[in-house]
Amino acid sequence: DAGVIQSPRHEVTEMGQEVTLRCKPISGHDYLFWYRQTMMRGLELLIYFNNNVPIDDSGMPEDRFSAKMPNASFSTLKIQPSEPRDSAVYFCASSSVGQGVTEAFFGQGTRLTVV
Amino acid sequence: AQSVTQLDSHVSVSEGTPVLLRCNYSSSYSPSLFWYVQHPNKGLQLLLKYTSAATLVKGINGFEAEFKKSETSFHLTKPSAHMSDAAEYFCVLCYNNNDMRFGAGTRLTVKP
Repeated sequence: DAGVIQSPRHEVTEMGQEVTLRCKPISGHDYLFWYRQTMMRGLELLIYFNNNVPIDDSGMPEDRFSAKMPNASFSTLKIQPSEPRDSAVYFCASSSVGQGVTEAFFGQGTRLTVV
Repeated sequence: AQSVTQLDSHVSVSEGTPVLLRCNYSSSYSPSLFWYVQHPNKGLQLLLKYTSAATLVKGINGFEAEFKKSETSFHLTKPSAHMSDAAEYFCVLCYNNNDMRFGAGTRLTVKP
């Protein structure tokens, strides 16, 4: 398996534009997570899905952020409209509850810059 | 409440000397604890994990960590640092199978 695949790796956009980040989890994993990493806040959990259903979105900072998982092999994180303070690295991770302990596999991340 | 505290934001060692990255946790459950490493411009990679089996856990690249319940600690160690170990390290607490709490991270610098 190629691991968790995120695209794009880098995104530069102007304030006010819509941004869509994409994630392909590892095949067979039933959990998918979106994280944001900034210098100020470190790693923050934004939202996670189980079997394509959003379970906890309490970490989503504002209504400008939305996430979907239309099927088991694809998820998107959308920011509309984007703001400079959204600049961060966004990580997607997937996992499967096996043997009672979860190990999350992370993608390479998407570095978002909003100017 | 479940939480993780990494006691040092930055650790600097010389190549060939021991590494100690400290992590304390708070959990009302029996925790699963992980150490992840993040190299620049790369995703997080699992170093090792504690899952209520052996308290001394060996990971990749010569790292190991010891779970000490009495001290609520899970410190990461390596006998001899290598230049390639320079990275950001995250201690992570996992409970309820999928709720994860990340520490703030410790940046390890290795001097020649």
